[in-house]
Amino acid sequence: QLQLQESGPGLVKPSETLSLTCTVSGGSISSTSSYWGWIRQPPGKGLEWIGSIYYGGNTYYNPSLKSRVTISIDTSRNQFSLKLSSVTAADTTIYYCARQTSSNLNWFDPWGQGTLVTVSS
Amino acid sequence: DIHMTQSPSSLSASVGDRVTITCRASQSISTYLNWYQRKPGKAPKLLIYATSSLQSGVPSRFTGSGSGTDFTLTISSLQPEDFATYYCQQSYSNPYSFGQGTKLEIK
Repeated sequence: QLQLQESGPGLVKPSETLSLTCTVSGGSISSTSSYWGWIRQPPGKGLEWIGSIYYGGNTYYNPSLKSRVTISIDTSRNQFSLKLSSVTAADTTIYYCARQTSSNLNWFDPWGQGTLVTVSS
Repeated sequence: DIHMTQSPSSLSASVGDRVTITCRASQSISTYLNWYQRKPGKAPKLLIYATSSLQSGVPSRFTGSGSGTDFTLTISSLQPEDFATYYCQQSYSNPYSFGQGTKLEIK
């Protein structure tokens, strides 16, 4: 059974870079049927897709965040990571990682439980 | 960008009730519409993909329908474990976008 778990600092200072890692267990991150994505929930809003990566390193991002986002993958560790630069209080929220089907249906399942990141000095 | 609007934002219902949640897209998304359930402190769960396909392991009381811009999620007979927040997501184009959520509460 595929499982995902987010990890990383829960507190980041304004203007610094948020870094999170998602560890995949119960399956290979090199699966050709999967992309791997990051999603968050901005305060008072619905869920927001941040971006996704394929095991070969191909990435695509939400244009609203693209200038600040980098997603990378480490197949040897079965992990993928998110970096979000120049954070502000508006980036305080729960961040989720999820498997995304590589079919054109682009649904997300399963998800990690989420990790709360607070941006504060 | 495609904007997704859910209604209602919250809903009170009783065990055994039939409930329907609506999701509207700002432009046609064919049938590229997925539904998720989220409970506090738990991982969101895919319920339905491609408008009406039930994800493996999801009870058959959940059904989805629609096409184009208007979609619905129906729970035929609410069970205690169904009280949660539900989100729709369009997967037609980048950026993939979600509705703001519908919180289903016990009456």
